[in-house]
Amino acid sequence: KAGVTQTPRYLIKTRGQQVTLSCSPISGHRSVSWYQQTPGQGLQFLFEYFSETQRNKGNFPGRFSGRQFSNSRSEMNVSTLELGDSALYLCASSLGVIKEETQYFGPGTRLLVL
Amino acid sequence: KNEVEQSPQNLTAQEGEFITINCSYSVGISALHWLQQHPGGGIVSLFMLSSGKKKHGRLIATINIQEKHSSLHITASHPRDSAVYICAATPTGNQFYFGTGTSLTVIP
Repeated sequence: KAGVTQTPRYLIKTRGQQVTLSCSPISGHRSVSWYQQTPGQGLQFLFEYFSETQRNKGNFPGRFSGRQFSNSRSEMNVSTLELGDSALYLCASSLGVIKEETQYFGPGTRLLVL
Repeated sequence: KNEVEQSPQNLTAQEGEFITINCSYSVGISALHWLQQHPGGGIVSLFMLSSGKKKHGRLIATINIQEKHSSLHITASHPRDSAVYICAATPTGNQFYFGTGTSLTVIP
């Protein structure tokens, strides 16, 4: 089976712009979760989607949003980008919800905000 | 205070040594995950456990629910084990709390 894929892998944006990141889960997986990783804060949970419904959201401002499509692919959007949004954004997929299943991580999207 | 604390932050070992990384958590959990992250960013899930002990090759993970503590052991360490090891807790809600990671370097 193909692994979790994320596009794009690298992205450079300027402050104030918005960005959309994409995540394609492993075939058959219904849960997709998103994470932000920075040198200062480490890994932080953004949100989890299961069967097109957001199940939970981490402690991030409303500028961070996401959605999941009927084929389980997910997108994450960040509006009005700030310098502090520069990070590695990881998504992970699993058969079921986070607390019950092993997570399979994608390679990540490196976002640089100038 | 972080919900998940890891120690040590950095660890250097000689090839062949037995390694232990510790993780303590303050929330009630439904599962504890151990993750491995190599340079370049890719993350691999090593273990998910809610009780007892699991073993995979040279890796062993244990958890003590009463003490809210988990350990990851690497036997006969090898330079390819050099990576950042992260523990993560899924509390009874649907969150995911991460430790700050342990950077392991195994010297040949």
